[in-house]
Amino acid sequence: GNSVTQMEGPVTLSEEAFLTINCTYTATGYPSLFWYVQYPGEGLQLLLKATKADDKGSNKGFEATYRKETTSFHLEKGSVQVSDSAVYFCALSSAVGGGYNKLIFGAGTRLAVHP
Amino acid sequence: EAQVTQNPRYLITVTGKKLTVTCSQNMNHEYMSWYRQDPGLGLRQIYYSMNVEVTDKGDVPEGYKVSRKEKRNFPLILESPSPNQTSLYFCASSPDTEEAFFGQGTRLTVV
Repeated sequence: GNSVTQMEGPVTLSEEAFLTINCTYTATGYPSLFWYVQYPGEGLQLLLKATKADDKGSNKGFEATYRKETTSFHLEKGSVQVSDSAVYFCALSSAVGGGYNKLIFGAGTRLAVHP
Repeated sequence: EAQVTQNPRYLITVTGKKLTVTCSQNMNHEYMSWYRQDPGLGLRQIYYSMNVEVTDKGDVPEGYKVSRKEKRNFPLILESPSPNQTSLYFCASSPDTEEAFFGQGTRLTVV
């Protein structure tokens, strides 16, 4: 079945460091890919998405490129801030019939950024 | 303000005592879902609904019930909670079949 695999955390970085969080997926067809972010005590928020191969999603300085050949959607940011500390989830959309696509999530990667 | 509202935010209950977690959205979305979040497992879908009176099982439906009598509400019912249902629960609504808007979560402890 369809699945998402993320690098295990926690990832601990100093402010202004470069961030990469790896995400690979297994899927039939051509799913849309997403990164969601969960700040402490809150629900998940959509950070960025890409709907087809070679698309680049970007938001708030974060980027991820849909790589069909490597089945990957790695999240990157050039200079992290303390306020980026959160849990990041990679996800894909999976068709379940009746026109409905459900989201399948990875396990999440906790990021801690220190001043 | 567009939002998904869950209640309660925190709940401690005893094994076997029926409970309901409410979820309401004010965005007129057709699609709503319930997820549970457990360490190392990410979010797993419990149930989803494509419209009023249309619900279906997700990946981990055992021990849960849902109903969708109105478009805005999608309560999650645990008729006989057990300790293995201790988890963080999220309700989500979607304007289409992909992007989801999440509530703030309900932390449930069953003792």
